[in-house]
Amino acid sequence: EAGVTQFPSHSVIEKGQTVTLRCDPISGHDNLYWYRRVMGKEIKFLLHFVKESKQDESGMPNNRFLAERTGGTYSTLKVQPAELEDSGVYFCASSPGLAGVWSYEQYFGPGTRLTVT
Amino acid sequence: AQKVTQAQTEISVVEKEDVTLDCVYETRDTTYYLFWYKQPPSGELVFLIRRNSFDEQNEISGRYSWNFQKSTSSFNFTITASQVVDSAVYFCALSEAQGSSGSARQLTFGSGTQLTVLP
Repeated sequence: EAGVTQFPSHSVIEKGQTVTLRCDPISGHDNLYWYRRVMGKEIKFLLHFVKESKQDESGMPNNRFLAERTGGTYSTLKVQPAELEDSGVYFCASSPGLAGVWSYEQYFGPGTRLTVT
Repeated sequence: AQKVTQAQTEISVVEKEDVTLDCVYETRDTTYYLFWYKQPPSGELVFLIRRNSFDEQNEISGRYSWNFQKSTSSFNFTITASQVVDSAVYFCALSEAQGSSGSARQLTFGSGTQLTVLP
């Protein structure tokens, strides 16, 4: 079974540009989460999808960040316009649920390292 | 508010030594879940273990063992006879109880402990 995949693995952009990160969860997982780790600090929660709906977006830092989950499958996280402080590693995770299989474990992807110069 | 503290930023041991990674947490919830994840140099976060707040039994899995003590709000992780392949960043995390929708709550992470096992 394929794990959580993220694309790209690394992105370098200039301040003011737009970047879109993609996450493909484990097939059949209804829950999808975005986290980020900035400058070696804690990994911080950004938002949580249940299928295509946003369950919790309390961690989104500001309106420059837009997340979508098309048809309850893959998700994208767009940063527009990017600022220097957005640099960090963005992780995506997924877990099952709503289908009779409740799981507390979240399975993480390898992350996308975003560098804003 | 939830908080997880991993006071050890970096630990270095020689192969075959035992090593304990500390994790202290804060939460107002009576039901919660604790996790350990491993982040090897390749970057992905690998799930290691989950413990429920109502189950204080220690757990052993091969060379790994976990000591959960509610009285001290700690969930420590011990690697016995460490190996070079154990070198990684280890994260402790906490989440609230399962939501009514059946979905797991967000994880609150500690800052991680970089473990280096020298040959």
